[in-house]
Amino acid sequence: NAGVTQTPKFQVLKTGQSMTLQCAQDMNHEYMSWYRQDPGMGLRLIHYSVGAGITDQGEVPNGYNVSRSTTEDFPLRLLSAAPSQTSVYFCASKTGNTFNEQFFGPGTRLTVL
Amino acid sequence: GEDVEQSLFLSVREGDSSVINCTYTDSSSTYLYWYKQEPGAGLQLLTYIFSNMDMKQDQRLTVLLNKKDKHLSLRIADTQTGDSAIYFCAESESSGSARQLTFGSGTQLTVLP
Repeated sequence: NAGVTQTPKFQVLKTGQSMTLQCAQDMNHEYMSWYRQDPGMGLRLIHYSVGAGITDQGEVPNGYNVSRSTTEDFPLRLLSAAPSQTSVYFCASKTGNTFNEQFFGPGTRLTVL
Repeated sequence: GEDVEQSLFLSVREGDSSVINCTYTDSSSTYLYWYKQEPGAGLQLLTYIFSNMDMKQDQRLTVLLNKKDKHLSLRIADTQTGDSAIYFCAESESSGSARQLTFGSGTQLTVLP
């Protein structure tokens, strides 16, 4: 199993550009999430999904869109990038049972100029 | 809302014990976790404890939970240079939703030779 994979590893955008961060998992996990990690602030939940076709907002959803057309994939879209979105983005997945071990991807480091 | 707090930095000498502390506010927390993040990587679950336990030991790791004071600690015995990483405390309620995992800001552990 590859686990949770994310592409790209690094990205530089100009303000106003759009892009999609890709996330895929091969563990047949129901739950998938996107977090952003900023210095001194831990991980903050952006959006999450409890299954194909179902998504919901997390703590910091503004400026981001998600969709979940398959169990495996959960892309995160930035429609019009802003410098405040400079961060490291992590995708995670977990099974639907009660215990909440999340499996994390390696992260995407995004810089918005 | 839920809040999880940790000190940002800890330095120890190789071979000493490290103690990383965490406090949380949500009295309905059912599961408490320690995740480890090595440089340039995603988070990996290190250990966890259920709220009805006071202590859990796993090789060099000891987790102590004081539910009355809402205080969680992670002790690493015989700390090695490979233990240098960021350690995140996290808590969740019992329903298992992806939304309900709250992370602290992370403690950067530096192990000095």
